[in-house]
Amino acid sequence: EVQLVESGGGLVQPGGSLRLSCAASGFIFDTYWMYWVRQAPGKGLEWVATINQGGSEKLYVDSVKGRFAIFRDNGKNSVHLQMDSLRAEDTAVYYCATWRLGGQGTMVTVSS
Amino acid sequence: DIQMTQSPSTLSASIGDRVTITCRASQNISSWLAWYQQKPGKAPKLLMSKASTLESGVPSRFSGSGSGTEFTLAISSLQPDDFATYYCQQYLNFLTFGGGTNVEIK
Repeated sequence: EVQLVESGGGLVQPGGSLRLSCAASGFIFDTYWMYWVRQAPGKGLEWVATINQGGSEKLYVDSVKGRFAIFRDNGKNSVHLQMDSLRAEDTAVYYCATWRLGGQGTMVTVSS
Repeated sequence: DIQMTQSPSTLSASIGDRVTITCRASQNISSWLAWYQQKPGKAPKLLMSKASTLESGVPSRFSGSGSGTEFTLAISSLQPDDFATYYCQQYLNFLTFGGGTNVEIK
């Protein structure tokens, strides 16, 4: 059974940084692209970033380019999202995903 | 980029009604479509994948159909537990989501 457990969220001031982590199990991790998806309060689901199996290809939604960085550790079956220069509009629940969502998400609140 | 368009955005229905939600892709995605159910304050729950394959434990009143660019989620007889927001998601080319359909009590 696919298990994705996100962590690392919290309250941060505008301009601050957070690193999100996702621990994966139940599938062969290094054969899958991995994604981060977010959901702002009262809004729909938005793809944020993706990384290929070996970590050599990374793509980002325009609104986070230059501020967020996705990376993975295949030895530890984990994927991470380094978020810098955070803005109020980054406030959301962040989910990691394979081809599908599977975790409970981690809440990021950007506020002074 | 593949765009996903869901309709309607809100659906008012009564217990026992048959309801259908439509999801359209901007290009052919074959059957690489998933449906989720989300209740307030909870994570989305995967209902089905490959357009019509129900996840284990999902009631049989839920069904999915379609391929290519047009897909449908149907609930044959709406139950109290089914009032929620539903999302479609393509996974042929990265991930994109529909805007959601809120199924509310009439």
